[in-house]
Formats: sequence, structure tokens, C-alpha cells
Amino acid sequence: EPEVTQTPSHQVTQMGQEVILRCVPISNHLYFYWYRQILGQKVEFLVSFYNNEISEKSEIFDDQFSVERPDGSNFTLKIRSTKLEDSAMYFCASSPDRGSGAFFGQGTRLTVV
Amino acid sequence: GENVEQHPSTLSVQEGDSAVIKCTYSDSASNYFPWYKQELGKRPQLIIDIRSNVGEKKDQRIAVTLNKTAKHFSLHITETQPEDSAVYFCAAVLEKLTFGTGTRLTIIP
Repeated sequence: EPEVTQTPSHQVTQMGQEVILRCVPISNHLYFYWYRQILGQKVEFLVSFYNNEISEKSEIFDDQFSVERPDGSNFTLKIRSTKLEDSAMYFCASSPDRGSGAFFGQGTRLTVV
Repeated sequence: GENVEQHPSTLSVQEGDSAVIKCTYSDSASNYFPWYKQELGKRPQLIIDIRSNVGEKKDQRIAVTLNKTAKHFSLHITETQPEDSAVYFCAAVLEKLTFGTGTRLTIIP
């Protein structure tokens, strides 16, 4: 069964450093998302991406965040200058169309020290 | 934007009994309502969903109901088993998933 895959599974970075989280969505899906989950809390929407551009973003997704689809398969989330409060599990998700359920990757646990 | 409320935040149920989790949403334009199960340290997994043109859907031991007028929907798990223990999230979808706050379900053997 096709799956969304994410790398790395765990990333530790120093405050102020840039990180790039990588995702390979399910191949025939058209909509891509990043969500984050702070430990023990709910899953929060960051950004959605369709047709090579951002379609919606949340208040969390400020100028420090960017997304890119550099080729036909990868979908990346970059955090330019990490803060302690960016520590969370980051989930990539994809869906075949708008208004459908999304399928989640296994997540990248980002720890900012 | 859409706001999804979920209750209860924790729920303990004797094995074999039923569990019910309830959610309300704010945007009447939302038209798709999935439920996700998240085991500790793992990804949210879609377990059942319902579209706005349907009032009820069942899949073995789990069922969802939707009341569009009242803007609430519920997850029902019957004959609960220990492996049902997890955090359950409801969500409402218009153009993106907006999650509820989650319910930690514990099945007591």
C-alpha cells in the first residue's frame, strides 16, 4: 500500500540553525500538507500546497518557514532560524483531491536545543 | 476559519463496553469529516470518515454519525478491545483538515 514517507525520523538542531524536513507524498496525490504536533497536544495545520504553490497557511507559518517541491516527488519544509518552541513532531500529509482525508507520514521529531 | 471542539478529552471504558466521542464544528461549509486514530509515537491514521450528504456510516465495530443542522458528529466504538486504546482525533474538512483537540481512550481489561 502506498505511503507518505518522511526523513529524517528525528532531527536535533541548535537554536538559530536552519533545518529542512523532507517528505515523499503518495505518487498520484495532488495536495500536500505540513502539520505539527507539540507533545501531547493536537495536530495543528501549517500549510497546504497545490499546483506548485501555497494554497493556504496558518498563523504559525511565518516568514521563518518555507515549502518547496524541488522535483516531481519531494516536498520539503524549511525552517530558517529555529527556535526552542519549534520543537515538535512535524507530519507531512497528502491527499488525492481537495476535501478528502489526508494520509500522514510517520513524522519527523524536531528537537531544538 | 473552521474551529473543531472535541469531548471528552479523556475516556476510560471497560473492555467490551461502548465508547462515544463527540465533536462540533463551526463552519457550515465543511463537507467531509474524517476520524483519525493515533497510537503513542505514531502517525495519525484514518479509521473512518463521513461526507456531509450522509447521516451515518458504519464499518464493523466503529460508526460515525453526522448532524449537519446542529453541526456535530460523533464516533461510536462498540465491543471495545484493548487495542482500541489510543488518542482519537476528529477533523472537519473544507479545503484542509482542521483537527479537534483529541480524546485519549483507555480500554480497561
